[in-house]
Amino acid sequence: GENVEQHPSTLSVQEGDSAVIKCTYSDSASNYFPWYKQELGKRPQLIIDIRSNVGEKKDQRIAVTLNKTAKHFSLHITETQPEDSAVYFCAASFSGGYNKLIFGAGTRLAVHP
Amino acid sequence: GAGVSQSPSNKVTEKGKDVELRCDPISGHTALYWYRQSLGQGLEFLIYFQGNSAPDKSGLPSDRFSAERTGGSVSTLTIQRTQQEDSAVYLCASSLELGGEQYFGPGTRLTVT
Repeated sequence: GENVEQHPSTLSVQEGDSAVIKCTYSDSASNYFPWYKQELGKRPQLIIDIRSNVGEKKDQRIAVTLNKTAKHFSLHITETQPEDSAVYFCAASFSGGYNKLIFGAGTRLAVHP
Repeated sequence: GAGVSQSPSNKVTEKGKDVELRCDPISGHTALYWYRQSLGQGLEFLIYFQGNSAPDKSGLPSDRFSAERTGGSVSTLTIQRTQQEDSAVYLCASSLELGGEQYFGPGTRLTVT
């Protein structure tokens, strides 16, 4: 069935360290993989996304990698800062297109000064 | 410009009552999505609209849930005979076109007592 698994569920790092969050998906037809950041009490906001014709994408301190063969993708945050503390959700499209996003359970990232 | 708005922001209702949740997407966005987020959990896909049409209703938890969209704009999610397990934050998102970046509203926190 449609499933996205996300690990770890919690992640604690020191300011300046890197953080990596990994997701796996079940549908080989998935072709769109966004990442959302949700701060406490706020709405999810898109921070980066990748499509299946690309293996890696970077935006300043954030990068996402995609391995379609293994059906997994990862979020990398370098030089973490306290304001990076939030819950991060990965998602994958299902139903053969971009129609429906299935989200992972989320990773609570805490960056300690 | 204005983002996605939802009303009410909070709703407390008694078990067995019906509730209506409203979503106003960003003007011009043709696709609209409803999600449910239980406390500390990920986002559960409920339904999406392309224009006024909902091609995939498989995510609705039961036949007590229904949604409609009129004029290609406002959408209403209706929950009949609410149960305590319906308590959650209901999030709406819209995108310019199907498969595009989804912009989330602030959510409606529903509490069924």
